[in-house]
Amino acid sequence: DTGVSQDPRHKITKRGQNVTFRCDPISEHNRLYWYRQTLGQGPEFLTYFQNEAQLEKSRLLSDRFSAERPKGSFSTLEIQRTEQGDSAMYLCASSPRWASGGDTQYFGPGTRLTVL
Amino acid sequence: DAKTTQPPSMDCAEGRAANLPCNHSTISGNEYVYWYRQIHSQGPQYIIHGLKNNETNEMASLIITEDRKSSTLILPHATLRDTAVYYCINFGNEKLTFGTGTRLTIIP
Repeated sequence: DTGVSQDPRHKITKRGQNVTFRCDPISEHNRLYWYRQTLGQGPEFLTYFQNEAQLEKSRLLSDRFSAERPKGSFSTLEIQRTEQGDSAMYLCASSPRWASGGDTQYFGPGTRLTVL
Repeated sequence: DAKTTQPPSMDCAEGRAANLPCNHSTISGNEYVYWYRQIHSQGPQYIIHGLKNNETNEMASLIITEDRKSSTLILPHATLRDTAVYYCINFGNEKLTFGTGTRLTIIP
């Protein structure tokens, strides 16, 4: 499968714990995005990378959240001191920016986080 | 905030064409119209996009009005697997801004 992959698919944690999610984009896609989706709502943008550079962060990304893409390939999203309000689906997408295919973003299956 | 308006829900009989409307009266000249869908508990799936001209691919057709203020996504022969939430998005920069979409239910 050459699509976007995310790990884990489900995570249950207790309030106050730290969690880390991983996203592997489609090979050679140089843009990578993180979105968050709560029940009944559409996905909301969190942040995105062009290669290893983080170019934009939403105000939704509080200081408890940090994202990295150290080698311009996979990315990690860490949430420190989780709160119940962090319970959501965390989605990753990638796009072939500057490629002939344009900027279409392709999404992974998501990581569903439940904070107890 | 999302810049598009979609009906919250629609039904369509299996085997018939499903026509999903979208209003985007404030679309900018360099913004594309993108459509995604999301089947329960899965990530959004790209369907189709266009700028001015009508577009067709193996999944759907996209009809954009001449003034670009509205568009219609057409699923020519809907199946039960097309039951999903469909999002219409004006996309011109890096991030997609999703609204709440249209929940399409295909009726057997």
